[in-house]
Amino acid sequence: SQTIHQWPATLVQPVGSPLSLECTVEGTSNPNLYWYRQAAGRGLQLLFYSVGIGQISSEVPQNLSASRPQDRQFILSSKKLLLSDSGFYLCAWSATGAQKPRGELFFGEGSRLTVL
Amino acid sequence: GNSVTQMEGPVTLSEEAFLTINCTYTATGYPSLFWYVQYPGEGLQLLLKATKADDKGSNKGFEATYRKETTSFHLEKGSVQVSDSAVYFCALSVSAGGTSYGKLTFGQGTILTVHP
Repeated sequence: SQTIHQWPATLVQPVGSPLSLECTVEGTSNPNLYWYRQAAGRGLQLLFYSVGIGQISSEVPQNLSASRPQDRQFILSSKKLLLSDSGFYLCAWSATGAQKPRGELFFGEGSRLTVL
Repeated sequence: GNSVTQMEGPVTLSEEAFLTINCTYTATGYPSLFWYVQYPGEGLQLLLKATKADDKGSNKGFEATYRKETTSFHLEKGSVQVSDSAVYFCALSVSAGGTSYGKLTFGQGTILTVHP
């Protein structure tokens, strides 16, 4: 069965410090991968998605970047955090090609980032 | 473009009450529709889905019917429990060129609180 894990679960960082959140998927190959941010405990905003190694699409201009160094690894980074980067970050994956289920997203447990 | 509009919350109900959370959408193409649930402090879990018009998704006593004529996918449950307290997200995805495409568009979420 497929699993997705992201870490750390909780992070408190000072303004101007770097960030690295990591996400890995097991039990599937060539998944689409996603980073979402949930601010104020409500709406979900798609930040990045990736359809393959080294292929990253950004949905909104921001202080963050993403990388996919391996097929099932997705990393969210920042060189210098801002207060506005605080939020709950969710990694997700979906099946591709002939794999099923189609269109469905599977989410990680989330990483709560507080920037002080 | 694609969009999802959900009923404004929060929704507060007593145990065993009937629940409806409205969801309407606009989409290019033929979307698949989803309801996700987020329990406090956790990531999102798929609750149910429907992939074509008139399909009914159901799970854990929740139901939603894909209504193409009204572009709606309202979530219902006949008798809610305290354990149903969570945030509920309606979402859609549109396949592109017959390939799997899991980039979801989410509604803003509806907070449900059920009291004993």
